[in-house]
Amino acid sequence: GAVVSQHPSWVICKSGTSVKIECRSLDFQATTMFWYRQFPKQSLMLMATSNEGSKATYEQGVEKDKFLINHASLTLSTLTVTSAHPEDSSFYICSARDSGLAGGFDEQFFGPGTRLTVL
Amino acid sequence: QKEVEQNSGPLSVPEGAIASLNCTYSDRGSQSFFWYRQYSGKSPELIMFIYSNGDKEDGRFTAQLNKASQYVSLLIRDSQPSDSATYLCAVNMADYKLSFGAGTTVTVRA
Repeated sequence: GAVVSQHPSWVICKSGTSVKIECRSLDFQATTMFWYRQFPKQSLMLMATSNEGSKATYEQGVEKDKFLINHASLTLSTLTVTSAHPEDSSFYICSARDSGLAGGFDEQFFGPGTRLTVL
Repeated sequence: QKEVEQNSGPLSVPEGAIASLNCTYSDRGSQSFFWYRQYSGKSPELIMFIYSNGDKEDGRFTAQLNKASQYVSLLIRDSQPSDSATYLCAVNMADYKLSFGAGTTVTVRA
């Protein structure tokens, strides 16, 4: 159990275009999902917390108008990189927290990641 | 000061040896501690979590937690080439967030 999928697994786009990445929890409900970005040889950097039915919470320094997050259902969150530029090229990873786990268990289940390359 | 710090790598160990990974954290209120393994080009996968002081063993992996010293470690016994990866220490924060260390890259030499 506890499988998280991401789509697409990789994408190449031209500078100035927008790219949408989907994150789905396949066998559990997730009221909370997280979006991370990872540059080569660096650790995961939390971008934002995606909350089902409400606005996302962005970390300091992350532009909310550039990285649009929508969490319309208990199993799906989307991240849209608007007007992408080469510096946005990175490995984007989502994670989900199982809402059904009791006791405030903090484990996050990670998706396989999406590699974005902006030309 | 970074919230989560890990011992700098890379760490190279011979096959069959013990790999020892260390992690310190700054928030005394943290309650949950996680070790993730990340292979190159892949996303992290959870290998251990620990909440209570002491040791927790799972197969060849042992996590150790000392909340008084704000220290958590991971031992990998009988290291195998397949254990070669980057190991990330993560600590819980408010609102179910996790704070990750920079990671320690482990290479197991055959």
